[in-house]
Amino acid sequence: EVQLVESGGGLVQPGRSLRLSCAASGFTFDDYAMHWVRQAPGKGLEWVSGISWNSGSTGYADSVKGRFTISRDNAKNSLYLQMNSLRAEDTALYYCAKDNMGVPTYYFDYWGQGTLVTVSS
Amino acid sequence: SSELTQDPAVSVALGQTVRITCQGDSLRSYYASWYQQKPGQAPVLVIYGKNNRPSGIPDRFSGSSSGNTASLTITGAQAEDEADYYCNSRDSSGSVFGGGTKLTVL
Repeated sequence: EVQLVESGGGLVQPGRSLRLSCAASGFTFDDYAMHWVRQAPGKGLEWVSGISWNSGSTGYADSVKGRFTISRDNAKNSLYLQMNSLRAEDTALYYCAKDNMGVPTYYFDYWGQGTLVTVSS
Repeated sequence: SSELTQDPAVSVALGQTVRITCQGDSLRSYYASWYQQKPGQAPVLVIYGKNNRPSGIPDRFSGSSSGNTASLTITGAQAEDEADYYCNSRDSSGSVFGGGTKLTVL
């Protein structure tokens, strides 16, 4: 059974940093691209970032480019999102999502339950 | 980055057919995928590619595309289909979601 478990969310002040993690199990992690998708309270889904199976390719939404960095550790079956210079508008539930291929197709076939990030003073 | 436009809300009578649409320039080049999200739950992929259903998704869900418009059709809507539906597509930066459509089953 595919499982994606996010962690690392919490309350953080504007301008500070936070690192999210996603622990994957139930599939061959290094065969698939992975993504972060977020959802602000009461709002729709927003793709944040994606990474290919071997970290050779990464992509970011314009709203986070230059502030967020996606990475993965295939030996640990883990995906990460380093978030710097956080803003109030980054407040959201952050989902880890599995792609259905090794290079991004942006078909997200499994999702975690999310970790909540709140940016507030 | 590109945008995808969805109707905010659609309703359908129980057992009838409903079409949810998604418009955007990126859909001229890429197929959409569709996600169902129920309150308090993570999204679930229901349609991807030309018209592919992941295992476990009922065959009453189908997808189609023409020009800059992608459609999700539910043939014989059930009470459990009441949810928010989001389309998604590749774009120049990576990926973009539509604003979502709230489906009410009457």
